[in-house]
Amino acid sequence: GAVVSQHPSWVICKSGTSVKIECRSLDFQATTMFWYRQFPKQSLMLMATSNEGSKATYEQGVEKDKFLINHASLTLSTLTVTSAHPEDSSFYICSAALRQANSPLHFGNGTRLTVT
Amino acid sequence: AQSVTQLGSHVSVSEGALVLLRCNYSSSVPPYLFWYVQYPNQGLQLLLKYTSAATLVKGINGFEAEFKKSETSFHLTKPSAHMSDAAEYFCAVSDQGSGNTGKLIFGQGTTLQVKP
Repeated sequence: GAVVSQHPSWVICKSGTSVKIECRSLDFQATTMFWYRQFPKQSLMLMATSNEGSKATYEQGVEKDKFLINHASLTLSTLTVTSAHPEDSSFYICSAALRQANSPLHFGNGTRLTVT
Repeated sequence: AQSVTQLGSHVSVSEGALVLLRCNYSSSVPPYLFWYVQYPNQGLQLLLKYTSAATLVKGINGFEAEFKKSETSFHLTKPSAHMSDAAEYFCAVSDQGSGNTGKLIFGQGTTLQVKP
């Protein structure tokens, strides 16, 4: 079946540094990828929709200059958390949609970000 | 606007007992509805989906859900719980206009505990 690989699975960084998270569709072409953020014991909150070759669409309240999203190819989208702060610590999950109609979203295994 | 409400943030059942996880949705257009399962520090795995075909949907691992338009519900059931079913379960909605490649709105999640 369709596989989405997310890397790294966990990362610890210092305040003020930037962290890049990759989301790859391994065996299919994903025209659209979604980035979610999940706080402990809470639901997934959609951050942005990433379309290949165009600018990402951010949800209300999400700072686009802080959470940089790039979708340069049909198999790769990246989320960069810039100038990270401890409040950015969270679980980030990506999902990808196949090009065919009526295809479900496939999720990566998530990235646990801890900012110290 | 669409929304999903999962009744009960925590459900506890005995092994072998019936599992019932409740989900109600709100949508101004015919919805697509999904149930996902999440194990600790992992992404989401699709259990089943409703896309306006049969109202009773069978999924993986013995789970099924019934779409009831009159009740705006999409409850998840399993006749006999296994210890391995212990996880977080999310109900989600997507409008048919965006098809299955549209963004998902998630419920708050329900933690299923299975007691031996």
